[in-house]
Amino acid sequence: EPEVTQTPSHQVTQMGQEVILRCVPISNHLYFYWYRQILGQKVEFLVSFYNNEISEKSEIFDDRFSVERPDGSNFTLKIRSTKLEDSAMYFCASSEPAGAEQYFGPGTRLTVT
Amino acid sequence: SQKIEQNSEALNIQEGKTATLTCNYTNYSPAYLQWYRQDPGRGPVFLLLIRENEKEKRKERLKVTFDTTLKQSLFHITASQPADSATYLCAPTFTGGGNKLTFGTGTQLKVEL
Repeated sequence: EPEVTQTPSHQVTQMGQEVILRCVPISNHLYFYWYRQILGQKVEFLVSFYNNEISEKSEIFDDRFSVERPDGSNFTLKIRSTKLEDSAMYFCASSEPAGAEQYFGPGTRLTVT
Repeated sequence: SQKIEQNSEALNIQEGKTATLTCNYTNYSPAYLQWYRQDPGRGPVFLLLIRENEKEKRKERLKVTFDTTLKQSLFHITASQPADSATYLCAPTFTGGGNKLTFGTGTQLKVEL
């Protein structure tokens, strides 16, 4: 069964550094998303992406965050100038068609020290 | 502002019984509502989607109801098993825009032998 994959599974970075989280969505999906979950809290929407542009973003997705689909298979989340409060599990998801169920990856645990 | 409420307390039931989880929402008119399962340290997994014009949806041992007047969805697991132990998330969803999922805090279900 097709699945969303994410790398790395765990990323440790120092405050102020840049990180790139990678995702490979399900191959025939066209809608892509990033969510985050701070430990013990709910899953929160960050951004949605379709047709090579951002469809919607939340207040969390400030100008330190960016997304990109650099090729036909990868979808990346970049966080510049990381802060301690960016520490969370980051989930990538994809769907097709829009509004249908979303398929989540296993997550990348980001720890900012 | 939009609000989604799920049973905040964990739900403990005996194996074989029916578990009923509640999702209430306010200041919302979702076109449909989705239920997901999340295991510790893992990404949410889609279970069921019910549209605003559907009263009930079933899939194997799962049943979802959607009352747009009460602004409530009930999620039932019949003949529960210890493997059903997880956190269950509801996500009332709009069509259009980025189709983001806004999750409730989730209800933790524990099925005991």
